[in-house]
Amino acid sequence: QSVLTQPPSVSAAPGQKVTISCSGSSSNIGNNYVSWYQQHPGTAPKLLIYDNNKRPSGIPDRFSGSKSGTSATLGISGLQTGDEADYYCGTWDSSLSPGHVVFGGGSKLTVL
Amino acid sequence: EVQLVESGGGLVQPGRSLRLSCAASGFIFDDYAMHWVRQAPGKGLEWVSGISWNSNDIGYADSVKGRFTISRDNAKNSLYLQMNSLRAEDTAFYYCAKDRLMVRGQDFDYWGQGTLVTVSS
Repeated sequence: QSVLTQPPSVSAAPGQKVTISCSGSSSNIGNNYVSWYQQHPGTAPKLLIYDNNKRPSGIPDRFSGSKSGTSATLGISGLQTGDEADYYCGTWDSSLSPGHVVFGGGSKLTVL
Repeated sequence: EVQLVESGGGLVQPGRSLRLSCAASGFIFDDYAMHWVRQAPGKGLEWVSGISWNSNDIGYADSVKGRFTISRDNAKNSLYLQMNSLRAEDTAFYYCAKDRLMVRGQDFDYWGQGTLVTVSS
Protein backbone atom coordinates (compact mmCIF):
# COMPACT_ATOMS: atom_id res chain seq x y z
CA GLN A 1 0.00 0.00 0.00
CA SER A 2 1.57 3.26 -1.16
CA VAL A 3 1.71 6.33 1.07
CA LEU A 4 0.42 8.46 -1.80
CA THR A 5 -2.82 7.47 -3.52
CA GLN A 6 -3.20 7.59 -7.30
CA PRO A 7 -5.92 6.16 -9.55
CA PRO A 8 -4.65 2.87 -11.04
CA SER A 9 -5.68 3.89 -14.53
CA VAL A 10 -6.87 6.85 -16.55
CA SER A 11 -7.77 7.17 -20.20
CA ALA A 12 -8.66 9.76 -22.80
CA ALA A 13 -8.72 10.22 -26.55
CA PRO A 14 -5.90 11.72 -28.60
CA GLY A 15 -5.95 15.50 -28.47
CA GLN A 16 -7.92 15.58 -25.24
CA LYS A 17 -6.73 16.49 -21.75
CA VAL A 18 -6.38 14.14 -18.82
CA THR A 19 -5.62 14.74 -15.16
CA ILE A 20 -4.04 12.35 -12.68
CA SER A 21 -4.52 12.92 -8.98
CA CYS A 22 -2.19 12.18 -6.10
CA SER A 23 -3.47 12.28 -2.55
CA GLY A 24 -1.38 12.35 0.59
CA SER A 25 -1.27 13.90 4.03
CA SER A 26 0.16 16.81 5.96
CA SER A 27 3.41 14.94 6.58
CA ASN A 28 4.12 14.62 2.88
CA ILE A 29 2.26 16.54 0.15
CA GLY A 30 0.76 19.03 2.59
CA ASN A 31 4.14 20.46 3.54
CA ASN A 32 6.46 19.52 0.70
CA TYR A 33 6.92 19.90 -3.03
CA VAL A 34 5.57 17.26 -5.41
CA SER A 35 7.30 15.70 -8.40
CA TRP A 36 5.87 13.70 -11.27
CA TYR A 37 7.55 10.98 -13.31
CA GLN A 38 6.69 9.26 -16.59
CA GLN A 39 7.75 5.68 -17.24
CA HIS A 40 7.34 3.85 -20.52
CA PRO A 41 7.46 0.02 -20.40
CA GLY A 42 10.95 -1.34 -20.05
CA THR A 43 12.55 2.06 -19.50
CA ALA A 44 13.67 4.15 -16.55
CA PRO A 45 11.39 6.83 -15.12
CA LYS A 46 11.70 10.38 -16.41
CA LEU A 47 11.17 13.56 -14.39
CA LEU A 48 8.25 15.55 -15.79
CA ILE A 49 7.42 18.04 -13.04
CA TYR A 50 9.25 19.22 -9.91
CA ASP A 51 8.43 21.77 -7.21
CA ASN A 52 4.71 21.15 -7.85
CA ASN A 53 4.58 22.87 -11.23
CA LYS A 54 8.02 23.37 -12.76
CA ARG A 55 9.11 21.57 -15.90
CA PRO A 56 12.71 20.45 -16.52
CA SER A 57 14.30 21.56 -19.73
CA GLY A 58 12.91 19.64 -22.69
CA ILE A 59 9.55 18.77 -21.16
CA PRO A 60 6.76 20.26 -23.30
CA ASP A 61 4.24 22.64 -21.78
CA ARG A 62 1.50 20.10 -22.47
CA PHE A 63 2.50 18.72 -19.08
CA SER A 64 1.48 20.75 -16.04
CA GLY A 65 1.35 20.27 -12.31
CA SER A 66 -0.54 21.79 -9.43
CA LYS A 67 -0.97 21.28 -5.70
CA SER A 68 -3.69 22.14 -3.24
CA GLY A 69 -3.57 21.15 0.40
CA THR A 70 -2.66 17.49 0.63
CA SER A 71 -3.34 16.66 -3.02
CA ALA A 72 -1.53 17.22 -6.27
CA THR A 73 -2.57 16.90 -9.89
CA LEU A 74 -0.72 16.21 -13.13
CA GLY A 75 -2.36 17.51 -16.27
CA ILE A 76 -1.55 16.37 -19.79
CA SER A 77 -3.15 18.27 -22.65
CA GLY A 78 -3.14 17.55 -26.38
CA LEU A 79 -2.77 13.83 -25.68
CA GLN A 80 -0.55 11.84 -28.02
CA THR A 81 -0.17 8.09 -28.37
CA GLY A 82 3.38 8.47 -27.09
CA ASP A 83 1.98 9.70 -23.78
CA GLU A 84 0.79 6.18 -23.00
CA ALA A 85 2.86 5.30 -19.96
CA ASP A 86 2.81 4.91 -16.20
CA TYR A 87 2.86 8.11 -14.17
CA TYR A 88 4.08 8.41 -10.59
CA CYS A 89 3.91 11.22 -8.08
CA GLY A 90 6.61 11.59 -5.47
CA THR A 91 7.31 13.81 -2.52
CA TRP A 92 9.24 14.14 0.70
CA ASP A 93 7.74 12.66 3.85
CA SER A 94 8.83 14.10 7.16
CA SER A 95 6.85 11.75 9.40
CA LEU A 96 10.07 9.94 10.29
CA SER A 97 13.53 11.30 10.94
CA PRO A 98 15.49 11.51 8.79
CA GLY A 99 12.95 12.28 6.12
CA HIS A 100 12.46 10.04 3.17
CA VAL A 101 10.90 9.98 -0.29
CA VAL A 102 7.53 8.40 -0.98
CA PHE A 103 5.86 7.58 -4.28
CA GLY A 104 2.32 6.99 -5.38
CA GLY A 105 1.33 3.57 -6.65
CA GLY A 106 1.33 4.79 -10.23
CA SER A 107 -1.35 5.51 -12.81
CA LYS A 108 -1.44 3.83 -16.20
CA LEU A 109 -2.49 6.23 -18.93
CA THR A 110 -4.23 4.79 -21.95
CA VAL A 111 -4.70 7.00 -24.99
CA LEU A 112 -7.77 5.54 -26.67
CA GLU B 1 25.59 13.97 -21.48
CA VAL B 2 24.64 12.65 -18.06
CA GLN B 3 25.08 8.90 -17.75
CA LEU B 4 24.39 6.61 -14.82
CA VAL B 5 25.37 2.98 -15.26
CA GLU B 6 24.42 0.44 -12.62
CA SER B 7 26.14 -2.90 -12.16
CA GLY B 8 26.32 -5.72 -9.65
CA GLY B 9 22.84 -7.18 -9.93
CA GLY B 10 22.14 -10.86 -10.30
CA LEU B 11 20.68 -13.96 -8.69
CA VAL B 12 21.42 -14.36 -4.99
CA GLN B 13 20.14 -16.71 -2.30
CA PRO B 14 18.06 -15.42 0.62
CA GLY B 15 20.22 -14.24 3.49
CA ARG B 16 23.23 -13.51 1.27
CA SER B 17 24.74 -10.18 0.28
CA LEU B 18 25.19 -8.19 -2.89
CA ARG B 19 26.83 -4.86 -3.68
CA LEU B 20 25.48 -2.58 -6.39
CA SER B 21 27.54 0.11 -8.05
CA CYS B 22 26.59 3.12 -10.11
CA ALA B 23 29.16 4.84 -12.32
CA ALA B 24 28.30 8.48 -13.02
CA SER B 25 29.55 10.72 -15.80
CA GLY B 26 28.60 13.90 -17.62
CA PHE B 27 28.12 16.05 -14.52
CA ILE B 28 29.99 17.16 -11.42
CA PHE B 29 29.22 14.16 -9.24
CA ASP B 30 30.05 15.72 -5.88
CA ASP B 31 27.67 18.61 -6.50
CA TYR B 32 24.58 16.43 -6.17
CA ALA B 33 22.81 14.06 -3.82
CA MET B 34 22.19 10.55 -5.16
CA HIS B 35 19.58 7.88 -4.57
CA TRP B 36 18.65 4.27 -5.12
CA VAL B 37 15.07 3.53 -6.21
CA ARG B 38 13.75 0.03 -6.84
CA GLN B 39 10.86 -1.45 -8.75
CA ALA B 40 9.66 -5.00 -8.34
CA PRO B 41 8.64 -6.55 -11.68
CA GLY B 42 5.22 -5.22 -12.65
CA LYS B 43 5.02 -3.02 -9.55
CA GLY B 44 5.50 0.65 -8.67
CA LEU B 45 8.49 2.69 -7.62
CA GLU B 46 9.94 2.41 -4.13
CA TRP B 47 12.61 4.77 -2.84
CA VAL B 48 15.34 2.74 -1.14
CA SER B 49 18.00 5.16 0.06
CA GLY B 50 19.56 8.56 -0.55
CA ILE B 51 22.85 10.28 0.26
CA SER B 52 23.79 13.94 0.22
CA TRP B 53 26.69 15.29 -1.81
CA ASN B 54 29.13 15.01 1.11
CA SER B 55 27.67 11.83 2.67
CA ASN B 56 26.68 13.76 5.81
CA ASP B 57 22.98 13.09 5.34
CA ILE B 58 21.75 9.58 4.61
CA GLY B 59 18.30 8.09 4.68
CA TYR B 60 16.76 4.65 4.20
CA ALA B 61 13.32 3.25 3.62
CA ASP B 62 12.01 1.34 6.62
CA SER B 63 11.96 -1.82 4.51
CA VAL B 64 15.76 -1.85 4.16
CA LYS B 65 16.97 0.00 7.24
CA GLY B 66 19.61 -1.99 9.10
CA ARG B 67 20.23 -4.27 6.11
CA PHE B 68 21.29 -1.91 3.30
CA THR B 69 24.09 0.67 3.35
CA ILE B 70 24.46 3.46 0.82
CA SER B 71 27.81 5.10 0.18
CA ARG B 72 29.58 7.19 -2.42
CA ASP B 73 33.12 7.82 -3.56
CA ASN B 74 33.29 11.28 -5.07
CA ALA B 75 36.84 10.71 -6.28
CA LYS B 76 35.58 7.80 -8.37
CA ASN B 77 32.24 9.37 -9.36
CA SER B 78 30.53 6.30 -7.98
CA LEU B 79 27.54 5.40 -5.83
CA TYR B 80 27.15 2.11 -4.01
CA LEU B 81 24.50 0.05 -2.27
CA GLN B 82 25.61 -2.75 0.03
CA MET B 83 22.71 -5.12 0.49
CA ASN B 84 22.89 -7.67 3.31
CA SER B 85 20.44 -10.27 4.61
CA LEU B 86 18.59 -10.21 1.33
CA ARG B 87 14.99 -11.37 1.22
CA ALA B 88 12.71 -12.53 -1.57
CA GLU B 89 10.83 -9.24 -1.33
CA ASP B 90 14.03 -7.36 -2.26
CA THR B 91 13.73 -8.77 -5.79
CA ALA B 92 13.48 -5.76 -8.08
CA PHE B 93 15.14 -3.58 -10.65
CA TYR B 94 17.41 -1.18 -8.78
CA TYR B 95 17.84 2.27 -10.31
CA CYS B 96 20.54 4.77 -9.49
CA ALA B 97 19.10 8.29 -9.65
CA LYS B 98 20.65 11.75 -9.52
CA ASP B 99 19.04 14.37 -7.30
CA ARG B 100 18.39 17.82 -8.66
CA LEU B 101 20.10 19.31 -5.60
CA MET B 102 23.12 18.81 -3.33
CA VAL B 103 20.92 17.83 -0.42
CA ARG B 104 18.53 14.90 -0.40
CA GLY B 105 15.24 15.76 -2.02
CA GLN B 106 12.54 14.13 -4.10
CA ASP B 107 13.48 15.36 -7.57
CA PHE B 108 15.40 12.73 -9.52
CA ASP B 109 16.34 14.31 -12.83
CA TYR B 110 18.45 11.51 -14.28
CA TRP B 111 18.13 7.76 -13.90
CA GLY B 112 20.25 4.78 -14.84
CA GLN B 113 18.90 1.89 -16.87
CA GLY B 114 18.55 -0.29 -13.78
CA THR B 115 20.07 -3.56 -12.64
CA LEU B 116 17.97 -6.58 -11.71
CA VAL B 117 18.41 -8.22 -8.34
CA THR B 118 16.70 -11.58 -7.92
CA VAL B 119 16.62 -13.14 -4.47
CA SER B 120 15.74 -16.81 -4.69
CA SER B 121 16.96 -20.18 -3.56
